[in-house]
Amino acid sequence: AQKITQTQPGMFVQEKEAVTLDCTYDTSDQSYGLFWYKQPSSGEMIFLIYQGSYDEQNATEGRYSLNFQKARKSANLVISASQLGDSAMYFCAMSRPATGNQFYFGTGTSLTVIP
Amino acid sequence: DSGVTQTPKHLITATGQRVTLRCSPRSGDLSVYWYQQSLDQGLQFLIQYYNGEERAKGNILERFSAQQFPDLHSELNLSSLELGDSALYFCASSGGQGQTTNEQFFGPGTRLTVL
Repeated sequence: AQKITQTQPGMFVQEKEAVTLDCTYDTSDQSYGLFWYKQPSSGEMIFLIYQGSYDEQNATEGRYSLNFQKARKSANLVISASQLGDSAMYFCAMSRPATGNQFYFGTGTSLTVIP
Repeated sequence: DSGVTQTPKHLITATGQRVTLRCSPRSGDLSVYWYQQSLDQGLQFLIQYYNGEERAKGNILERFSAQQFPDLHSELNLSSLELGDSALYFCASSGGQGQTTNEQFFGPGTRLTVL
């Protein structure tokens, strides 16, 4: 079965510091996608970053980067220079083309940025 | 704004009732996904439609059904509602021309409360 694990229910980070949110996944597929979404208290799901299983370079999007370690099946999100607006729930998700690309989500990490 | 619209935003109803949630995907997107987010189950995939056809099924109860219409909007029907069906229901879309990743664009969600 496909599984996404986020082991950090809650994290705190000082404003302007960097923080890493952990995500491990389990699949036997060769082709898959890994995503991070942010869910603020308002509830919407905001796409942050994507990493394809065949991508050799780690993905980056502004202050977000994805530390992809394929052999360890990990896809950690790194947020640099944290801002107060980064306080939210963060979800790691995996998609598999073999099954229509539906998302398998982790349980999420609640990030609080402290001024 | 993701370009995905969902109506209604909030819905309060009683046990045993039936409701319909509506989703309009981003212009050009052929795939529509429905997800349920609840406190005890987290974010779960329910069902996917692609260009009017059911493509994949997840943890969708038999009391729930969905369809995608020729104009690509989708409806999720929930019947014989139970207290445990209270949740945030997301619609997401993807598969538009030119899309290079399997990123899904999420609507704002419909918050269903069953009393």
